[in-house]
Amino acid sequence: GQQLNQSPQSMFIQEGEDVSMNCTSSSIFNTWLWYKQDPGEGPVLLIALYKAGELTSNGRLTAQFGITRKDSFLNISASIPSDVGIYFCAGQINFGNEKLTFGTGTRLTIIP
Amino acid sequence: NAGVTQTPKFQVLKTGQSMTLQCAQDMNHEYMSWYRQDPGMGLRLIHYSVGAGITDQGEVPNGYNVSRSTTEDFPLRLLSAAPSQTSVYFCASSNYLAGGLSYNEQFFGPGTRLTVL
Repeated sequence: GQQLNQSPQSMFIQEGEDVSMNCTSSSIFNTWLWYKQDPGEGPVLLIALYKAGELTSNGRLTAQFGITRKDSFLNISASIPSDVGIYFCAGQINFGNEKLTFGTGTRLTIIP
Repeated sequence: NAGVTQTPKFQVLKTGQSMTLQCAQDMNHEYMSWYRQDPGMGLRLIHYSVGAGITDQGEVPNGYNVSRSTTEDFPLRLLSAAPSQTSVYFCASSNYLAGGLSYNEQFFGPGTRLTVL
């Protein structure tokens, strides 16, 4: 089955640094989503993107829907300890069809 | 609201044993789904349901059965467990509107960590 390629696989940063991660696909998606998973928990939705080129913010998080519809980017500014976790991108092909294709995840660790 | 609940949280099985992973939601969501999460693989869809009495296969359905007799519950059955089914299993639910024009947020349960020896 199809999977989305996320990079980097892991990041080790210091508190206060900015973070960038991206997700690429060989197929077009009509919706791009970014989820965060805390240790021992299920993923929680951070941002949903619906239009090519769309740039959406949620606090310190900013995500973009790539023009080609085959990629998406997530930026976190001024990282804090609670940002630690695994970040997943996900794509949805058909509106109203909730089937998602998930990326492989980016594990974020903050070094004290 | 409790949201999406899953039981058990941890389970160890021997090869060939059967078991049912329970999932329940109290948000009156039509859509429910099961995913498995393996290291470096992200989440992969096993089965899903768009309403009571309706189920369909996802990306990796082999070895798993589901049923949806009520809106609230969506159990996942392993008929004969295999070591390849060692994984973390997540149930999710959302509203659903066929042909809708926006994404209905899926809410995930806390997961069941399954080990098959």
